[in-house]
Parts: sequence; C-alpha cells; structure tokens
Amino acid sequence: AQKVTQAQTEISVVEKEDVTLDCVYETRDTTYYLFWYKQPPSGELVFLIRRNSFDEQNEISGRYSWNFQKSTSSFNFTITASQVVDSAVYFCALKSGNTGKLIFGQGTTLQVKP
Amino acid sequence: KAGVTQTPRYLIKTRGQQVTLSCSPISGHRSVSWYQQTPGQGLQFLFEYFSETQRNKGNFPGRFSGRQFSNSRSEMNVSTLELGDSALYLCASSLAGRLAGGDEQFFGPGTRLTVL
Repeated sequence: AQKVTQAQTEISVVEKEDVTLDCVYETRDTTYYLFWYKQPPSGELVFLIRRNSFDEQNEISGRYSWNFQKSTSSFNFTITASQVVDSAVYFCALKSGNTGKLIFGQGTTLQVKP
Repeated sequence: KAGVTQTPRYLIKTRGQQVTLSCSPISGHRSVSWYQQTPGQGLQFLFEYFSETQRNKGNFPGRFSGRQFSNSRSEMNVSTLELGDSALYLCASSLAGRLAGGDEQFFGPGTRLTVL
C-alpha cells in the first residue's frame, strides 16, 4: 500500500523561529518521487520541491531545506527563520508505480505569528 | 508562461443537478489530473488524462467523469450531485510523457463547488 503520513495537524510558531514539518511515506516500489506543496488561503497548491528515490541529497533553497532519509522513509521540510508569509497548509505527496497520481498526506497547517 | 486556469472559480448547485468544470493546462503540458479536496478526506485523486485518453482513475463513483480535448484542455463532469460532492476541485497539469515519471504537477486555483 502507498501512504503518506503527516502527523502534525497544526503547528504554531512565532516569527523567526525555525520549524520542521514531518512527512513519512510508505511504498513498496523502488522508484518513486516525493513532493512538497504549499497551499495558501487562496487555495492554489504551489509546488516546492521534488525528490526521486535515488537521490538522498539534502536540498536547501533560501530559507527552505529538505531532509530525505530512505532508511526511515521520511522526507522532512524545515523552514528557517519563519515569516508570517509562510503561514499556509503544507502537503507532502508521493508518486510511485504506474499510477500517474499523487498520494497526499493530510497536510500540516502552519501558523506563523508576528 | 500562463499557469493552469480553471473555470468557474465558484459554483453553487442543488442536489440532483449536474455540473461541468473546465481546466486549461500550461502550454505544452499534455497531462491533466483532477483532485477533490474536502476537509474530511483531504486531497484525493479523481482521474488523469493524457493525449485525450483517461490514463488512470481514482476510487470515485461513475457519476464523476471527464474528458480531454485535442488541445489538452480538460473538463470534468459530476452528475446527480450529492451534498457530499461539495469540495474544492483542483486540476493539475504536467508534461508527464511517462506514466511512471516524476514530472511535477502544477495546480490551478481550483473550483469551489457547493451543493445545497
């Protein structure tokens, strides 16, 4: 079975704090892809990053960084020095096999207070 | 490059009616996927179209259908609407040449459907 679990339903931090959003996935496929999307109040899902199962290098993009660990089936997302504009719902998603579909976690609502 | 566009943005219907939603993908993208988002079930895959053919389908009743045109634009139709169909319907497009590939999907703003 393929599954994505985001155990944190809601996180609230104060501006400038670092915050990590957890994502754990399940799949039996050896080739798969992991994604993070951001959904601001406007509703549109914004693509943040894609990782394939053969690339375990961590990635940093500005204040965002991602930690992919196959050994623990995790793909965590860290925002450094959070800002109010980071407030949104964040989704982790998995694509594997020949399904052509994304399997989403339940999402983590991040609230950054000024 | 223009993003994915969806029309209409908001829709109110009554039970038993049918509705058609439209999605225009990013230029050059040949795959269009549809997702339903509800507070209870989260984001769920409806179906994917590629080159005018349905390539994959999620676990939704036959009341949900779709199609894709030669210009890659897609429509989805829901017949005999039920209260539980109230949701945000999101369309995503990707290059998706290979079904098993990892092309990122770019999402539109969604159509918020309310069934009364």
